[in-house]
Order: sequence, then C-alpha cells, then structure tokens
Amino acid sequence: DSGVTQTPKHLITATGQRVTLRCSPRSGDLSVYWYQQSLDQGLQFLIQYYNGEERAKGNILERFSAQQFPDLHSELNLSSLELGDSALYFCASSEKAAGSGNTIYFGEGSWLTVV
Amino acid sequence: DAKTTQPNSMESNEEEPVHLPCNHSTISGTDYIHWYRQLPSQGPEYVIHGLTSNVNNRMASLAIAEDRKSSTLILHRATLRDAAVYYCILRAAEHYGGATNKLIFGTGTLLAVQP
Repeated sequence: DSGVTQTPKHLITATGQRVTLRCSPRSGDLSVYWYQQSLDQGLQFLIQYYNGEERAKGNILERFSAQQFPDLHSELNLSSLELGDSALYFCASSEKAAGSGNTIYFGEGSWLTVV
Repeated sequence: DAKTTQPNSMESNEEEPVHLPCNHSTISGTDYIHWYRQLPSQGPEYVIHGLTSNVNNRMASLAIAEDRKSSTLILHRATLRDAAVYYCILRAAEHYGGATNKLIFGTGTLLAVQP
C-alpha cells in the first residue's frame, strides 16, 4: 500500500459525459501528479500540482483539467469523453515539488471505460 | 528530458540473478537515474535510484557505469513476484525555486520470471 488513495477504482461512462477522478496523496505529501496509461500510449504524464499550484503540464488534453485543494487532495476532471479516453489513470504524490532524489508514490489507479 | 533505451523484454529463471540494462548516452551531469517497476494491474513502484555511485537497497542494486552513459539494475534472486515492467528514468536535478521533478516513462523492459 503506497498510501495514495484513488477513487473510484472502476468507472464506466458514455461518450460525451464528464467524470471526476479523485486522489488523496500520502500524508504530508505536497506534490500530486496525474498520469494516463493506455495500451497504445504507455504511461503518459498529464499534470503536476504542488501545494495547490500547477507546477508542470504534460500531454493533457484541453478537455481535461485538474486542481489541488487546500487539504492537498486532487481531482482530475475529464469532459466530453471519447472512446479513446478509456485508460487507467494514476495519481502519484511526493513530498516536495522538486528533488530528483525523492520518491514518487503511485496509487492503484482509476480504470475508466468510455462506451 | 534525456532519453533512455532498454530492451523490450527479458527472461529469467526463479532464484537466479537478473541484470536489466539501460543506456542513457545523453545523460547530463546532474541527472539522477531512477528505476521504477510496474507489476500487473498495479501502479508503478519505486525500486532504486542513484547519481554516480553504485547503490544497494533491500529490493535491488544499481550499477552505474563510470561515464554514466549506462546503468544496470540487478535483482539478486528473482522471484515470481518480480515479473513486471521495469522502467529506467532520468530525472533532472532539483532547481532552486521548485522546478518540477516529474517522471517521464519510456516503454521499459518486460521481465518474465520462469519457475
């Protein structure tokens, strides 16, 4: 158990809909990362927040957005869903925003299926 | 981000050592070498990291070439539970002011362990 909690674990929704994935980082971790993993794209970095502020952006679509709240939990919002958005979405956390030596801990993922 | 090259797959027998290679010829002087692994249906998991010197922990050893252009992850006695995708990742050194330290995953090496 990494200490990173993601909900829901599984979600099935229709095209065009909107969903919200939630992440609770490890206690004390200020930095949150979101990743998408699909069969054909591998693990793709989406976005990082540190203590409520966006710190880095990766291959995140405009239809997707995220935020980190004052209690440090984070949400990833996916809208106008398409079949290709079906993937495993991972949240990860680490103690600091920077620090190439510190460890990033991953949750077990939220499996999204768009039908 | 500097690129790493790993074999797509490797096989090992249970209870034998495994050497997983990684080439990173464009590594910069301040890049750390990180290894993560992803077991089936789980989020990535930290294994080990290092900068210049060889490193050991309870999970594995990391041997870094003198010129730092390659490294090898060593599992001393493979078990069936070590079957996973192993990722070798370069992370830029910390920058004052909190630059991002996101992980950029490649395709990794799929390790199969035979009983």
